[in-house]
Amino acid sequence: NAGVTQTPKFRVLKTGQSMTLLCAQDMNHEYMYWYRQDPGMGLRLIHYSVGEGTTAKGEVPDGYNVSRLKKQNFLLGLESAAPSQTSVYFCASSDRDNAEAFFGQGTRLTVV
Amino acid sequence: ELKVEQNPLFLSMQEGKNYTIYCNYSTTSDRLYWYRQDPGKSLESLFVLLSNGAVKQEGRLMASLDTKARLSTLHITAAVHDLSATYFCAVDMDDDMRFGAGTRLTVKP
Repeated sequence: NAGVTQTPKFRVLKTGQSMTLLCAQDMNHEYMYWYRQDPGMGLRLIHYSVGEGTTAKGEVPDGYNVSRLKKQNFLLGLESAAPSQTSVYFCASSDRDNAEAFFGQGTRLTVV
Repeated sequence: ELKVEQNPLFLSMQEGKNYTIYCNYSTTSDRLYWYRQDPGKSLESLFVLLSNGAVKQEGRLMASLDTKARLSTLHITAAVHDLSATYFCAVDMDDDMRFGAGTRLTVKP
């Protein structure tokens, strides 16, 4: 039972490079989220989606873009990476009625 | 804008002692969650509180929600070393979910 799977688990980027983080869930959840976790700041919401084809901005959306072309996948893109985007990124999904969110294992991104 | 504040941020306690972690939030919501995170790991759901007065218990942990006071508590009874972790509360606002900064709990023998 896979749950929420993030790809990749680790990545090092040079400033200005681009990349896409993939989140896949197999629980048929409508809601999906991307968070970043930095020391002492908890998790901050970047973008979220309430269903296939929809996305919305969270607390800290600048520098990121997302897409939800398929219900099971939620992609997070960095067009031009900056050192300030060094963080651990978590994807989560939830069934709105049940509300409990399930998290992926995280992606540790370092921008040098 | 929704703000979620936890206190304390750091908690060191001895085994066998009781303590409470507090989670305050700034806007109306009737959905609150507690998660646990072990170092280097992902988040694990502990409790889902969906109404005013909700109380849930699992082992040595008990969570409650007072939506009128905009306050949730996570009470630890007779702490054991295995409870050492970071605990987060999260509040549901419209369609998104906002987290507190987390409480790093260390339980010492």
